[in-house]
Amino acid sequence: QVQLVESGGGVVQPGGSLRLSCAASGFTFSSYTMHWVRQPPGKGPEWVAFIRHDGSDKDYTDSVKGRFIISRDNSKNTLDLEMSTVRVEDTAVYYCARGFGEFPYWGQGILVSVSS
Amino acid sequence: EIVLTQSPGTLSLSPGERATLSCRASQTVSASYLAWYQQKPGQAPRLVLYGTSSRATGIPDRFSGSGSGTDFTLTISRLEPEDFAVYYCQQYGSSPRYSFGQGTKLEIK
Repeated sequence: QVQLVESGGGVVQPGGSLRLSCAASGFTFSSYTMHWVRQPPGKGPEWVAFIRHDGSDKDYTDSVKGRFIISRDNSKNTLDLEMSTVRVEDTAVYYCARGFGEFPYWGQGILVSVSS
Repeated sequence: EIVLTQSPGTLSLSPGERATLSCRASQTVSASYLAWYQQKPGQAPRLVLYGTSSRATGIPDRFSGSGSGTDFTLTISRLEPEDFAVYYCQQYGSSPRYSFGQGTKLEIK
């Protein structure tokens, strides 16, 4: 079955950097568009970024453009999110998700807390 | 930018009753790309409906969806205890490429 497992979260100071990873299994990873979606405490989900199956196209929500980079390694079935110049408002549970128009598959999520 | 506004913010009903949740978009949304999710505490969102009215795998037929243009509805015909959760609508297509509503909390009365 489809499994998505995030790692790399934790506490980071404002202005710092953090790298999240998502290990995928149970499906042909190289065939699917992948996303990062985050959910601030007590709020609704917010789409962060997506990357096409072959890495040929990427897009980001405006608030993270220029600060976050999404990437994938189809040989290792992994999806990454490089977060830099983080802000307090980046505090959230970060999910990796698979889908195109909607998200049928989600990981369990990983908490990123930006605090001094 | 498309903003999705859900109403009501909280809906208090009893098991066996009918629930009607609304999602209104600030601009026209393609019905092919309007989805609904259910989220319980400590869990990831779970896809319930996609393409406005198609049920995701494992979703019972008491869940149904309708709508077009800017107004969409999720209906749960007879509430079961496991249906009480927060529900989010989500669209794909316009800037931002994906967006979610703020959620409706369905609570036991």
